Amino acid sequence: SQQGEEDPQALSIQEGENATMNCSYKTSINNLQWYRQNSGRGLVHLILIRSNEREKHSGRLRVTLDTSKKSSSLLITASRAADTASYFCATVPNRDDKIIFGKGTRLHILP
Amino acid sequence: SAVISQKPSRDICQRGTSLTIQCQVDSQVTMMFWYRQQPGQSLTLIATANQGSEATYESGFVIDKFPISRPNLTFSTLTVSNMSPEDSSIYLCSVEDPQALLREKLFFGSGTQLSVL
Repeated sequence: SQQGEEDPQALSIQEGENATMNCSYKTSINNLQWYRQNSGRGLVHLILIRSNEREKHSGRLRVTLDTSKKSSSLLITASRAADTASYFCATVPNRDDKIIFGKGTRLHILP
Repeated sequence: SAVISQKPSRDICQRGTSLTIQCQVDSQVTMMFWYRQQPGQSLTLIATANQGSEATYESGFVIDKFPISRPNLTFSTLTVSNMSPEDSSIYLCSVEDPQALLREKLFFGSGTQLSVL
Protein backbone atom coordinates (compact mmCIF):
# COMPACT_ATOMS: atom_id res chain seq x y z
CA SER A 1 0.00 0.00 0.00
CA GLN A 2 1.16 3.55 -0.69
CA GLN A 3 2.70 5.25 2.31
CA GLY A 4 4.69 8.21 1.03
CA GLU A 5 3.27 10.87 -1.24
CA GLU A 6 5.72 13.31 -2.80
CA ASP A 7 4.96 16.75 -4.02
CA PRO A 8 5.32 18.31 -6.40
CA GLN A 9 4.96 15.52 -8.95
CA ALA A 10 7.25 17.43 -11.29
CA LEU A 11 9.60 20.36 -10.82
CA SER A 12 11.67 22.36 -13.29
CA ILE A 13 14.26 24.86 -12.06
CA GLN A 14 17.24 26.71 -13.44
CA GLU A 15 20.69 25.31 -12.87
CA GLY A 16 22.18 26.79 -9.73
CA GLU A 17 18.85 27.21 -7.95
CA ASN A 18 17.75 25.13 -4.97
CA ALA A 19 15.21 22.33 -5.38
CA THR A 20 12.84 21.31 -2.60
CA MET A 21 10.73 18.17 -2.64
CA ASN A 22 8.28 17.10 0.02
CA CYS A 23 7.04 13.74 1.22
CA SER A 24 4.01 13.09 3.40
CA TYR A 25 3.21 9.73 4.93
CA LYS A 26 0.34 8.18 6.84
CA THR A 27 1.57 5.97 9.67
CA SER A 28 4.35 6.26 12.22
CA ILE A 29 7.78 5.31 10.94
CA ASN A 30 11.10 3.90 12.08
CA ASN A 31 12.99 5.74 9.35
CA LEU A 32 12.57 7.57 6.06
CA GLN A 33 14.92 7.37 3.09
CA TRP A 34 15.35 9.29 -0.15
CA TYR A 35 16.41 7.67 -3.42
CA ARG A 36 17.27 8.99 -6.87
CA GLN A 37 16.43 7.27 -10.15
CA ASN A 38 17.97 8.36 -13.44
CA SER A 39 16.03 7.67 -16.64
CA GLY A 40 14.14 4.62 -15.40
CA ARG A 41 17.23 2.82 -14.20
CA GLY A 42 18.08 1.46 -10.77
CA LEU A 43 17.55 3.59 -7.69
CA VAL A 44 20.42 5.04 -5.69
CA HIS A 45 20.14 5.60 -1.95
CA LEU A 46 20.78 9.26 -1.09
CA ILE A 47 20.14 9.75 2.60
CA LEU A 48 18.43 8.23 5.63
CA ILE A 49 16.78 9.99 8.53
CA ARG A 50 15.57 8.13 11.58
CA SER A 51 12.39 8.91 13.47
CA ASN A 52 14.30 10.50 16.38
CA GLU A 53 16.20 12.87 14.06
CA ARG A 54 14.97 16.21 12.72
CA GLU A 55 17.58 17.17 10.15
CA LYS A 56 20.51 15.61 8.31
CA HIS A 57 22.98 16.84 5.75
CA SER A 58 25.02 15.09 3.11
CA GLY A 59 26.96 17.26 0.67
CA ARG A 60 24.41 19.40 -1.19
CA LEU A 61 21.51 17.44 0.32
CA ARG A 62 19.55 18.47 3.36
CA VAL A 63 16.66 16.39 4.63
CA THR A 64 14.24 17.31 7.40
CA LEU A 65 11.69 15.21 9.21
CA ASP A 66 8.63 16.41 11.10
CA THR A 67 7.02 13.40 12.74
CA SER A 68 4.17 15.48 14.18
CA LYS A 69 3.14 16.45 10.64
CA LYS A 70 4.23 13.12 9.16
CA SER A 71 6.28 14.87 6.52
CA SER A 72 9.81 15.16 5.22
CA SER A 73 11.54 17.46 2.79
CA LEU A 74 14.60 17.02 0.61
CA LEU A 75 16.54 20.13 -0.36
CA ILE A 76 19.15 20.02 -3.11
CA THR A 77 21.25 23.18 -3.11
CA ALA A 78 23.04 24.70 -6.09
CA SER A 79 21.40 22.30 -8.53
CA ARG A 80 23.31 20.87 -11.48
CA ALA A 81 22.23 19.31 -14.76
CA ALA A 82 23.26 15.92 -13.37
CA ASP A 83 20.58 16.28 -10.66
CA THR A 84 17.90 15.77 -13.31
CA ALA A 85 16.19 12.57 -12.13
CA SER A 86 13.21 11.22 -10.23
CA TYR A 87 13.38 11.36 -6.46
CA PHE A 88 11.50 8.93 -4.23
CA CYS A 89 10.90 8.93 -0.53
CA ALA A 90 10.66 5.53 1.13
CA THR A 91 9.30 4.82 4.57
CA VAL A 92 9.82 1.96 6.99
CA PRO A 93 6.96 1.66 9.51
CA ASN A 94 8.83 -0.85 11.66
CA ARG A 95 12.19 -2.56 11.30
CA ASP A 96 10.62 -5.84 10.29
CA ASP A 97 8.29 -4.20 7.76
CA LYS A 98 9.01 -3.81 4.11
CA ILE A 99 10.23 -0.50 2.69
CA ILE A 100 7.40 1.40 0.99
CA PHE A 101 8.11 3.85 -1.82
CA GLY A 102 6.21 7.00 -2.71
CA LYS A 103 5.27 8.03 -6.24
CA GLY A 104 8.25 10.28 -6.75
CA THR A 105 9.05 13.80 -7.91
CA ARG A 106 10.47 14.29 -11.41
CA LEU A 107 13.12 17.00 -11.21
CA HIS A 108 14.37 18.70 -14.35
CA ILE A 109 17.29 21.12 -14.17
CA LEU A 110 17.26 23.67 -16.98
CA PRO A 111 20.62 24.85 -18.36
CA SER B 1 28.24 -1.93 -0.20
CA ALA B 2 26.84 -4.33 -2.78
CA VAL B 3 27.05 -4.29 -6.57
CA ILE B 4 24.22 -5.94 -8.46
CA SER B 5 24.44 -7.02 -12.09
CA GLN B 6 21.01 -7.31 -13.65
CA LYS B 7 20.22 -8.56 -17.12
CA PRO B 8 18.80 -8.14 -19.61
CA SER B 9 18.67 -4.35 -19.42
CA ARG B 10 15.71 -4.27 -21.78
CA ASP B 11 13.65 -6.56 -23.93
CA ILE B 12 10.69 -6.44 -26.25
CA CYS B 13 8.57 -9.57 -26.06
CA GLN B 14 5.49 -11.01 -27.69
CA ARG B 15 2.39 -11.62 -25.63
CA GLY B 16 2.09 -15.15 -24.30
CA THR B 17 5.85 -15.66 -23.96
CA SER B 18 8.00 -15.62 -20.81
CA LEU B 19 11.10 -13.68 -19.86
CA THR B 20 13.62 -14.55 -17.16
CA ILE B 21 15.52 -11.74 -15.48
CA GLN B 22 18.77 -12.48 -13.67
CA CYS B 23 20.47 -10.70 -10.79
CA GLN B 24 23.97 -11.42 -9.55
CA VAL B 25 25.26 -9.80 -6.36
CA ASP B 26 28.96 -9.41 -5.57
CA SER B 27 28.47 -10.49 -1.96
CA GLN B 28 26.37 -13.01 -0.08
CA VAL B 29 23.02 -11.66 1.04
CA THR B 30 20.17 -13.28 2.91
CA MET B 31 17.27 -11.64 1.11
CA MET B 32 16.81 -10.37 -2.41
CA PHE B 33 13.82 -8.24 -3.35
CA TRP B 34 12.05 -8.01 -6.69
CA TYR B 35 10.13 -4.83 -7.57
CA ARG B 36 7.92 -3.76 -10.44
CA GLN B 37 7.70 -0.14 -11.57
CA GLN B 38 4.88 0.51 -13.99
CA PRO B 39 5.25 3.48 -16.35
CA GLY B 40 5.36 6.73 -14.39
CA GLN B 41 4.60 4.94 -11.14
CA SER B 42 6.29 4.04 -7.90
CA LEU B 43 7.98 0.78 -7.02
CA THR B 44 5.81 -2.12 -5.91
CA LEU B 45 7.35 -5.09 -4.14
CA ILE B 46 6.61 -8.35 -5.96
CA ALA B 47 8.33 -10.81 -3.65
CA THR B 48 11.21 -11.46 -1.30
CA ALA B 49 13.56 -14.29 -2.30
CA ASN B 50 15.34 -16.22 0.44
CA GLN B 51 17.96 -18.82 -0.29
CA GLY B 52 16.77 -22.32 0.43
CA SER B 53 13.09 -21.54 0.79
CA GLU B 54 10.11 -20.48 -1.26
CA ALA B 55 9.86 -16.81 -2.11
CA THR B 56 7.36 -14.72 -0.16
CA TYR B 57 4.92 -12.98 -2.49
CA GLU B 58 3.08 -9.74 -1.82
CA SER B 59 -0.64 -9.37 -2.21
CA GLY B 60 -1.61 -9.33 -5.88
CA PHE B 61 1.39 -11.35 -7.07
CA VAL B 62 1.39 -15.13 -7.49
CA ILE B 63 4.08 -17.72 -8.04
CA ASP B 64 2.58 -19.04 -11.27
CA LYS B 65 2.89 -15.62 -12.89
CA PHE B 66 6.22 -14.59 -11.30
CA PRO B 67 8.24 -17.69 -10.42
CA ILE B 68 11.44 -16.91 -8.58
CA SER B 69 14.56 -18.97 -8.08
CA ARG B 70 17.24 -18.40 -5.43
CA PRO B 71 19.79 -21.17 -5.84
CA ASN B 72 22.49 -19.52 -3.69
CA LEU B 73 23.25 -16.42 -1.64
CA THR B 74 24.45 -14.32 -4.60
CA PHE B 75 21.98 -15.06 -7.40
CA SER B 76 18.27 -14.91 -8.15
CA THR B 77 16.00 -14.98 -11.16
CA LEU B 78 12.50 -13.65 -11.72
CA THR B 79 10.42 -14.99 -14.58
CA VAL B 80 7.50 -13.04 -15.99
CA SER B 81 5.24 -15.75 -17.43
CA ASN B 82 2.58 -15.70 -20.11
CA MET B 83 3.13 -12.01 -20.66
CA SER B 84 0.51 -9.47 -21.67
CA PRO B 85 0.93 -5.76 -22.50
CA GLU B 86 -0.03 -4.98 -18.88
CA ASP B 87 3.26 -6.54 -17.80
CA SER B 88 5.21 -3.78 -19.57
CA SER B 89 7.21 -2.27 -16.71
CA ILE B 90 10.64 -1.85 -15.28
CA TYR B 91 11.62 -4.80 -13.08
CA LEU B 92 14.24 -4.21 -10.42
CA CYS B 93 16.11 -6.46 -8.05
CA SER B 94 17.40 -5.14 -4.78
CA VAL B 95 19.33 -6.15 -1.69
CA GLU B 96 19.86 -4.56 1.69
CA ASP B 97 23.22 -3.05 2.52
CA PRO B 98 24.91 -5.78 4.59
CA GLN B 99 26.79 -3.10 6.51
CA ALA B 100 23.70 -1.09 7.45
CA LEU B 101 21.00 -1.80 9.99
CA LEU B 102 17.91 -3.67 8.85
CA ARG B 103 15.70 -1.74 6.46
CA GLU B 104 17.96 1.30 6.32
CA LYS B 105 19.47 1.09 2.84
CA LEU B 106 18.80 -0.75 -0.39
CA PHE B 107 21.06 -1.32 -3.37
CA PHE B 108 19.40 -1.80 -6.75
CA GLY B 109 20.26 -3.47 -9.99
CA SER B 110 20.11 -1.29 -13.08
CA GLY B 111 16.65 -2.54 -13.98
CA THR B 112 15.06 -4.47 -16.84
CA GLN B 113 12.80 -2.42 -19.09
CA LEU B 114 10.21 -4.83 -20.48
CA SER B 115 7.84 -4.02 -23.32
CA VAL B 116 5.18 -6.55 -24.27
CA LEU B 117 3.58 -6.25 -27.70
